Amino acid sequence: AQSVTQPDIHITVSEGASLELRCNYSYGATPYLFWYVQSPGQGLQLLLKYFSGDTLVQGIKGFEAEFKRSQSSFNLRKPSVHWSDAAEYFCAVAPANQAGTALIFGKGTTLSVSS
Amino acid sequence: GAGVSQSPSNKVTEKGKDVELRCDPISGHTALYWYRQSLGQGLEFLIYFQGNSAPDKSGLPSDRFSAERTGGSVSTLTIQRTQQEDSAVYLCASRLGQSSYNEQFFGPGTRLTVL
Repeated sequence: AQSVTQPDIHITVSEGASLELRCNYSYGATPYLFWYVQSPGQGLQLLLKYFSGDTLVQGIKGFEAEFKRSQSSFNLRKPSVHWSDAAEYFCAVAPANQAGTALIFGKGTTLSVSS
Repeated sequence: GAGVSQSPSNKVTEKGKDVELRCDPISGHTALYWYRQSLGQGLEFLIYFQGNSAPDKSGLPSDRFSAERTGGSVSTLTIQRTQQEDSAVYLCASRLGQSSYNEQFFGPGTRLTVL
């Protein structure tokens, strides 16, 4: 069965430090991959997505993610975290070339930023 | 421009009552999804509408849950005889076209509390 695993439930990072949020997926073929962010009381906002090609993708707010086929991973990174990055982050997958299928989400990682 | 809107933002109901949750998608978006976000869980797919096609109801957890989409626009999710385990945030998302690569835009959600 398709699944997405985010191993870290909660991470605390100092402001200005680097960040890496882990995501592993289980899928028959390389799916479309997404990272969403959810701030308190807000809906989800797309940070970035991967379809094919260059395995390092750039997103909004200074985030990037790297797709590693051999590890079935799509980890999210940011070189320097800001206090406003505190939020919940969701990794999601959708089957490629299959119209209309819903996203499959991980359970999320809550990011806290300390000063 | 207007994003996805949902109403009410909060709903408190008593066990056994019926509730209706509303979603107004982005104008022109043919695809509409409902997801449920329970505490400590990721987003769980409930139902998917695409244009005039029959909806994909494969994610609905029981026959107490139903949804309709009138005129290819507004959608209503109905939960009959609510149970305490139905307490969650219900999120609606819309998307332009059928490709799973296209971004899903999420509303702010309706927080449902069943007492």
